[in-house]
Amino acid sequence: QKEVEQNSGPLSVPEGAIASLNCTYSDRGSQSFFWYRQYSGKSPELIMSIYSNGDKEDGRFTAQLNKASQYVSLLIRDSQPSDSATYLCAVEFSSNTGKLIFGQGTTLQVKP
Amino acid sequence: GAVVSQHPSWVICKSGTSVKIECRSLDFQATTMFWYRQFPKQSLMLMATSNEGSKATYEQGVEKDKFLINHASLTLSTLTVTSAHPEDSSFYICSASPSGVPPQFFGPGTRLTVL
Repeated sequence: QKEVEQNSGPLSVPEGAIASLNCTYSDRGSQSFFWYRQYSGKSPELIMSIYSNGDKEDGRFTAQLNKASQYVSLLIRDSQPSDSATYLCAVEFSSNTGKLIFGQGTTLQVKP
Repeated sequence: GAVVSQHPSWVICKSGTSVKIECRSLDFQATTMFWYRQFPKQSLMLMATSNEGSKATYEQGVEKDKFLINHASLTLSTLTVTSAHPEDSSFYICSASPSGVPPQFFGPGTRLTVL
C-alpha cells in the first residue's frame, strides 16, 4: 500500500516563528514531491515542488527532501496569521502517470 | 497560467437525481484531468483519471457506473454523479497539468449536497 503520512496537528506557532511541517512516504522509488496549501472550504493551492535531495527555497518557504530517509518537509519562515491553513504533502508514486497520493494534511495555526 | 475552473461551485439536489460537474482548463490543453473527492476533515481521495478521447481510469472502490466521466475535448472533462444519495455529499475537485505530469493545478471545487 502506497502511503503518505503527515501529523494532522494542529501545529500552533506564534507569529514570526518558523513552522516546520513533516511528511514521510512509503515508496522508495518516488521522484516527485509537492506541498499544497488548503484554506478551509477552498481547493488546494500549489506551494512548492521538489524533485532532488536537499533544500529548495522560494520566498519564506523551504522544501527539504531526503530520499534515503523517505522524508520531505516544509519550513515556513516568519509565519503569518494568513499562513494558517492545512498543508498537504503529495507524492507521485509512479513516474509519468501524473497521479498524486496525498497525505492527510497538517493544520497550521499561526497566532498573532 | 495553469488556471482550472469548475462549474457549478455548489449544488444542492434531491436524492435520486443526477448532477453534472464541469472542469475546464482555461489557458492550456489537458489530455489528462483528475477527479478527487474530499469529505470534511479528510484528505483528497483520487477518484479517477480522465483521459481525452478514451475511457476514464477509476481508482479501486470507485463505482464507474455511478460516477460517469467524459473528457470530450482537450479543455473539458465532466463528472456526472448518477442517482445521487446523501452519502455522495462531498467536495469534488478536479485538477490538471499543462505538461501532463505533476504538479497538478486544482479547480476551485464543487460542493455537492444531496438531500
